[in-house]
Amino acid sequence: KAGVTQTPRYLIKTRGQQVTLSCSPISGHRSVSWYQQTPGQGLQFLFEYFSETQRNKGNFPGRFSGRQFSNSRSEMNVSTLELGDSALYLCASSPVQRAPSYEQYFGPGTRLTVT
Amino acid sequence: DAKTTQPTSMDCAEGRAANLPCNHSTISGNEYVYWYRQIHSQGPQYIIHGLKNNETNEMASLIITEDRKSSTLILPHATLRDTAVYYCIVRESFGDSWGKLQFGAGTQVVVTP
Repeated sequence: KAGVTQTPRYLIKTRGQQVTLSCSPISGHRSVSWYQQTPGQGLQFLFEYFSETQRNKGNFPGRFSGRQFSNSRSEMNVSTLELGDSALYLCASSPVQRAPSYEQYFGPGTRLTVT
Repeated sequence: DAKTTQPTSMDCAEGRAANLPCNHSTISGNEYVYWYRQIHSQGPQYIIHGLKNNETNEMASLIITEDRKSSTLILPHATLRDTAVYYCIVRESFGDSWGKLQFGAGTQVVVTP
């Protein structure tokens, strides 16, 4: 099976712009989560989607949003970019949210640089 | 805030067992202990998880104390490829759904020849 794929892998944007990142989960996986990783704050949870519904949300401002499509693919959007949004954005997928062993499989991430 | 405390770093000799401690003194009854690791420039990788019994899989063993306030991840025969940041996380189960994964700073493990 192919792993979690994220596009693009690298992105450079300027302050004030918006950006959309894409994640394709492992085939058959229905849950997708997003994380932000920075040297200062580490890995922080953004949100989680299951069957096109947001199930969990982290403590990020409303500029960060996401959605999941019927084929389980997910996108996250960041509007009005700030320098502090420069980070590695990681997507993780899981087969079924209710499974007792809720393992998440992470993609390689999208490296976003805001200038 | 993360609910776990881990040492910042530790070294381990190749071929020896690596024992990674984690303190989760405020863990509640419906919270599981999860371990992930992140090798440089890659996404985190699931290792193992448990509730109260010790667990073992092909990668590692997880030993949870009887009061569940701490645990130890054991890599039985460390290799150079085990050099990574290891995260201990507690995750809440709501029966039919799960709480979010909250990563702390983790332990940087360096395996040396």
